[in-house]
Amino acid sequence: EAQVTQNPRYLITVTGKKLTVTCSQNMNHEYMSWYRQDPGLGLRQIYYSMNVEVTDKGDVPEGYKVSRKEKRNFPLILESPSPNQTSLYFCASSLGPGEGDEQYFGPGTRLTVT
Amino acid sequence: AQRVTQPEKLLSVFKGAPVELKCNYSYSGSPELFWYVQYSRQRLQLLLRHISRESIKGFTADLNKGETSFHLKKPFAQEEDSAMYYCALRPRGSARQLTFGSGTQLTVLP
Repeated sequence: EAQVTQNPRYLITVTGKKLTVTCSQNMNHEYMSWYRQDPGLGLRQIYYSMNVEVTDKGDVPEGYKVSRKEKRNFPLILESPSPNQTSLYFCASSLGPGEGDEQYFGPGTRLTVT
Repeated sequence: AQRVTQPEKLLSVFKGAPVELKCNYSYSGSPELFWYVQYSRQRLQLLLRHISRESIKGFTADLNKGETSFHLKKPFAQEEDSAMYYCALRPRGSARQLTFGSGTQLTVLP
């Protein structure tokens, strides 16, 4: 089944404790993105990647890191989480910037930083 | 920079009534517009894209470049249409991914 998976689905952590949220897709997509979803703000892009070893900042990259060492994986790293990073995070993948290109979303990771 | 505005956070209609979810955008170039939907406890998924001019689940949306709008419409709402709807924009041909609006929670009442 073609899909985007994220782990963990739920995470509660404390301020400053490094964490990684994994994202994997099995559709051989080149493009992958991370978004955060907050009430009243919709989805905001954190980082995106156009291919292996090619990443760029989105709208809200502060406090986050990403890496793309393999085509299928795009982990999101919070080196020193803070309470304002409490949010619902979505990973997405797509074929590329072709016309009408559809993004496929993961199930989401709900992160709470205390 | 591009911007997408969905003026209604919440919208309630009765079953069988017409529904219109508003989306306005600002972008100086040529945009691609999309509607994504998130049903309760499900992941976000594409509903329709302006480039396809398609009708999905009875929904349609027309890109109005003069008014910079991409409103989503359905003539007869169904209870199963209750969901969160997001309008999204991407500059045509851009590698950058989508810019989303803040979303509209649609509730269709019985």
